[in-house]
Amino acid sequence: DAKTTQPTSMDCAEGRAANLPCNHSTISGNEYVYWYRQIHSQGPQYIIHGLKNNETNEMASLIITEDRKSSTLILPHATLRDTAVYYCIVRGNYGGSQGNLIFGKGTKLSVKP
Amino acid sequence: SAVISQKPSRDICQRGTSLTIQCQVDSQVTMMFWYRQQPGQSLTLIATANQGSEATYESGFVIDKFPISRPNLTFSTLTVSNMSPEDSSIYLCSVKTRTSQAGNEQFFGPGTRLTVL
Repeated sequence: DAKTTQPTSMDCAEGRAANLPCNHSTISGNEYVYWYRQIHSQGPQYIIHGLKNNETNEMASLIITEDRKSSTLILPHATLRDTAVYYCIVRGNYGGSQGNLIFGKGTKLSVKP
Repeated sequence: SAVISQKPSRDICQRGTSLTIQCQVDSQVTMMFWYRQQPGQSLTLIATANQGSEATYESGFVIDKFPISRPNLTFSTLTVSNMSPEDSSIYLCSVKTRTSQAGNEQFFGPGTRLTVL
């Protein structure tokens, strides 16, 4: 599975959009980009994933560049409860019977009032 | 989605003892995993729990230290054996499901916070 690079930490003002970048320059054609977050003292929480098209759900938007070498997770209106470590993970979409997630160090997002 | 519960939620243990952590899922899942998260660190995969057979361990983890059972599709246990202070970590159970709408997300339990004195 391809490796990802994320900034160690970021700050965001409450109510503003949080844009979290991720570089995955060695991503292969069949690998997806997954985002998870871990709020303090909880297990990681799935946010969103995508292959090459931009994706949006009730939590966030995922923007993947045309060459797929980088992506950005967007939290449109960050709240204090969005303070967490955000993990960008690249992995093949093997289906339910294979594979697991390999976590890097992630980005610690601090949302400030 | 899958709802995962772990027991105990936390424990403080003496070195040399063993602790068994239970993971229960509210639905049948395709795969179950055990992760460790040491203080201030990211998650590291310990092993994949296989139903009815021996678990598949990642490099650096061995069955004698972390025996794992998975007797059915919704339950697994991880034992941390002969504990030392270096085993102080959060241990997380994780599962994979196959859902037609959302692909193959992986879900995580709340974790078991272990402190070894």
